[in-house]
Amino acid sequence: GAVVSQHPSRVICKSGTSVKIECRSLDFQATTMFWYRQFPKQSLMLMATSNEGSKATYEQGVEKDKFLINHASLTLSTLTVTSAHPEDSSFYICSARDLVRPGTDTQYFGPGTRLTVL
Amino acid sequence: GQQLNQSPQSMFIQEGEDVSMNCTSSSIFNTWLWYKQDPGEGPVLLIALYKAGELTSNGRLTAQFGITRKDSFLNISASIPSDVGIYFCAGQLRSGGSNYKLTFGKGTLLTVNP
Repeated sequence: GAVVSQHPSRVICKSGTSVKIECRSLDFQATTMFWYRQFPKQSLMLMATSNEGSKATYEQGVEKDKFLINHASLTLSTLTVTSAHPEDSSFYICSARDLVRPGTDTQYFGPGTRLTVL
Repeated sequence: GQQLNQSPQSMFIQEGEDVSMNCTSSSIFNTWLWYKQDPGEGPVLLIALYKAGELTSNGRLTAQFGITRKDSFLNISASIPSDVGIYFCAGQLRSGGSNYKLTFGKGTLLTVNP
């Protein structure tokens, strides 16, 4: 249980294009999903918190118009990197908060999406 | 953003040795989590701690939630080659105002020599 998937796992795109990354909770409902970015040999940095049916909350320094987040259902959140540039190349990881399991409130992570912008 | 102080940054050990790593924070958390990340993968939850003083085991792994709620440690006993990876601690405030965000340590890179 508590499986989170991401699609695609890897994407290479040209500078100026937009890329959409999907995050799905496969066997539980997630009212809250989180999007992280991880640069090589660094820790995970939270970009935004995505709540189902409402606007995402972005961390300081993260451009909401550049990183569009949509959380349309209890099992799906999407992150769109608009007008991507080489500096946006990174490992993007989502997590989903599982509320159902008794006594727990734990985030489960997806496998990540490697974005390379040429 | 805020980060936890995780140490050591890296460890090189022989197979069979025990390992210990810890995290400290200037802020109180009411949940501590330990994750392992393999290259090119997302973090996998190892142990979750929900009460100050709690000691929890998962196979060869043991973690404790510090009594001050500002620290946690993770021990790995009798290490094996597949323990190689990056271990992250994460603290969480379980309150609506915090939006249940996780604050991550910088990670401990573990290398196990067979």
